[in-house]
Amino acid sequence: KAGVTQTPRYLIKTRGQQVTLSCSPISGHRSVSWYQQTPGQGLQFLFEYFSETQRNKGNFPGRFSGRQFSNSRSEMNVSTLELGDSALYLCASSPTGTTGMNTEAFFGQGTRLTVV
Amino acid sequence: AQTVTQSQPEMSVQEAETVTLSCTYDTSENNYYLFWYKQPPSRQMILVIRQEAYKQQNATENRFSVNFQKAAKSFSLKISDSQLGDTAMYFCAFMTLGAQKLVFGQGTRLTINP
Repeated sequence: KAGVTQTPRYLIKTRGQQVTLSCSPISGHRSVSWYQQTPGQGLQFLFEYFSETQRNKGNFPGRFSGRQFSNSRSEMNVSTLELGDSALYLCASSPTGTTGMNTEAFFGQGTRLTVV
Repeated sequence: AQTVTQSQPEMSVQEAETVTLSCTYDTSENNYYLFWYKQPPSRQMILVIRQEAYKQQNATENRFSVNFQKAAKSFSLKISDSQLGDTAMYFCAFMTLGAQKLVFGQGTRLTINP
């Protein structure tokens, strides 16, 4: 079974531009979550999607948005990039995303975004 | 809001030794999950072990075990017979039951020396 796939692996953008990151979850997983990892702030939750609906959102500005498609693939968009958006963006998928036993999150290898 | 604290930024031990990583958390919830994740230099976050708060028995996975003290809100990870491949960042994480959202600690950088 293929793991969580994130594309691209590396990205360099200029301040003010926008960027779209993609995440393909493990087959059969319907919940996709996004996290931002920086040396200063650590790992922070961005948002979670389940069946094309955003169920949870972290404390990030509106420049950060996402969506999920009917095949559970998810995209994350950051508009008007700032230097502080430079980070490793991790995507995780989970089997059910509901209360119950299968709450384990499986992570992708991340997209390293550098804003210059 | 939930918070997770890892008080040891870095640890270093010799191969084959036992090492314990500390984690405390703060929550008003009664039902939740706790996790330890490992992040090697490849950046892939790998689940090491998980604990359901309603279970009194401490979780174990081969060389990895936890000491879960619910009243003290403490969740430490013990690695026995440490191996070079255990070198990584280790993150303690909390998840409220019913919310697919992980709250992470700041991490502990563990180095296993030959």
